[in-house]
Amino acid sequence: DADVTQTPRNRITKTGKRIMLECSQTKGHDRMYWYRQDPGLGLRLIYYSFDVKDINKGEISDGYSVSRQAQAKFSLSLESAIPNQTALYFCATSERPYTEAFFGQGTRLTVV
Amino acid sequence: QKEVEQNSGPLSVPEGAIASLNCTYSDRVSQSFFWYRQYSGKSPELIMSIYSNGDKEDGRFTAQLNKASQYVSLLIRDSQPSDSATYLCAVKGGAQKLVFGQGTRLTINP
Repeated sequence: DADVTQTPRNRITKTGKRIMLECSQTKGHDRMYWYRQDPGLGLRLIYYSFDVKDINKGEISDGYSVSRQAQAKFSLSLESAIPNQTALYFCATSERPYTEAFFGQGTRLTVV
Repeated sequence: QKEVEQNSGPLSVPEGAIASLNCTYSDRVSQSFFWYRQYSGKSPELIMSIYSNGDKEDGRFTAQLNKASQYVSLLIRDSQPSDSATYLCAVKGGAQKLVFGQGTRLTINP
């Protein structure tokens, strides 16, 4: 089993619908991140969390919210999905402040 | 100015040659630097990390860091077709968030 698991792997939803993307990890890391990837734009940071009570906005947080339910779980919500939120979404974790991040398999989200 | 910048490419290199990938960053207090490889539709995988000035070698890969110039590079020696991928530079700065460049698409031609 993967250390960082994202569900669902693929999702098609309609404009205006609320959708939640989930991330769980078995690595025991405190730090968790949500990124979105669009062609040619690399990975852009949406939200990041250093522990259950410490959640921070990234560069593109508008239209998104997050919940850190436990050390192992970090969920990303789109309250009212719009087509330009169609993208590949990645969750990642890291162990210490300046160490590398490990990625989940990604969720391909399409908003129609 | 973007926090982390890379040439988006595409970069085309003949098989067996050296591929050179470059990255600059804006946060002077950045502490750690990473190169990830990403195949199309897959998640990024770490290939190199570097924390201090100079070179770090791992097999065919060499990462180079120059903090004074705010520059980090990746060299791939004896390039193979399987090295064809997008290479992402990532930096952890003072806020401890991990910021990525836009990636460089590398193609190794047999």
